[in-house]
Parts: sequence; structure tokens; C-alpha cells
Amino acid sequence: QKEVEQDPGPLSVPEGAIVSLNCTYSNSAFQYFMWYRQYSRKGPELLMYTYSSGNKEDGRFTAQVDKSSKYISLFIRDSQPSDSATYLCAMSAGNNRKLIWGLGTSLAVNP
Amino acid sequence: EPEVTQTPSHQVTQMGQEVILRCVPISNHLYFYWYRQILGQKVEFLVSFYNNEISEKSEIFDDQFSVERPDGSNFTLKIRSTKLEDSAMYFCASSGTSGPNEQFFGPGTRLTVL
Repeated sequence: QKEVEQDPGPLSVPEGAIVSLNCTYSNSAFQYFMWYRQYSRKGPELLMYTYSSGNKEDGRFTAQVDKSSKYISLFIRDSQPSDSATYLCAMSAGNNRKLIWGLGTSLAVNP
Repeated sequence: EPEVTQTPSHQVTQMGQEVILRCVPISNHLYFYWYRQILGQKVEFLVSFYNNEISEKSEIFDDQFSVERPDGSNFTLKIRSTKLEDSAMYFCASSGTSGPNEQFFGPGTRLTVL
């Protein structure tokens, strides 16, 4: 079983839709969960950072972690064409440890 | 807003040549990383660096790779004898003590080995 699995999509939604992105993982030692946004041929940009289980909200973005199910989600409300990018989940087992990545989900928000 | 910078943006080299990729991490960060992303594949961890030494490295980071912090601002990745399969985007990242696992990434260096 792969350590982190993420459906690559592509996912296409109309402007204003609620987008749900998710990852599953197998390593129960993971404690830190991140969502990054990556535009084509650019570096990953940190969007959300969560420690352990629970929810975190930042503007239109909400990150959820369910450690019992080994499942994390990113919700984007009122999606905009500028949200069109690849969204990558990443996680680690401790502070300043290596990040293990999902493949990324390609999202297109259509005006 | 502080950011991680990387040079060059694109490096083309012949197989067997040495390359040095350069990074300037965010100034008050203490932890530094290199990752790579082969086109269409996952981002992969290469190495982490703290207090002037390697703290963790992956199986990819073999004897052909080395890292250095030659001064107070730069962080470099050297590949001694490049192979075709080293062609990838190489990302530098840094993190600080206030959010120790929030790693901030540079724009990347595209390495093409011919």
C-alpha cells in the first residue's frame, strides 16, 4: 500500500462551487498534515497546515483531518478561476521531518 | 513577504557533469530541505539540513549528492556526476522554529541532463 494516495483528477467545477479534495494515508505515525497549491512549473505554495486531528479554517479554505480513518480533506468554498491549480497533500511524522507527498489533484474552475 | 529564492531557474548539462543548485532560504529559518519532482511524479524528499549537518536523507541521496551551507545565507545542492534520470525540478524549502513543520518552497530549478 502506498504511503499517501491522492486521486490525480482532473477535477472540473463551475465558478462558485464547493470543491472537496482528499488524501488517504497508511502510516499512523503521521501527525502533521499540509495542503499545498502548485501552479504549472512553479514551486508548491503552503495553503493549510494542521497538527493531529480536527478542522482548520482560513478564509475560503477548510482543512479536515480524521486520523482514525487516515483521511484528510481540503474544502474550497466559492471557488474562483484563480483557484485552478494542482493541490498536493503532504504529511510528516514529526517536527522538521521529511514530507511525504500525494500525487496532487488537478483542479480547473470554469468561469 | 520573505520568500525562498533559487538559482538558476533552468540548468542544462551533459551527462557526467557536475551541477550546483543554489538556494537562499528565508532569513530567520534554521531548517533546510531539498526535494525533487520528476515530471508527472510525486514530489520526493532528498535531504534535510540543520545546524550545519544533514539530519535526514532519502535513498535517492547517494554519494553523488552533497549539500552545503557555505555562508550565512546560501544553501546548495551538488550533483557530482549527473545522470539522465536526475532530470527533474529541484525545490529548496526552509522552515523555522515558530511553525517548525511549515515548509516554504522556492520556485525550483529545472535540471535537464542530456
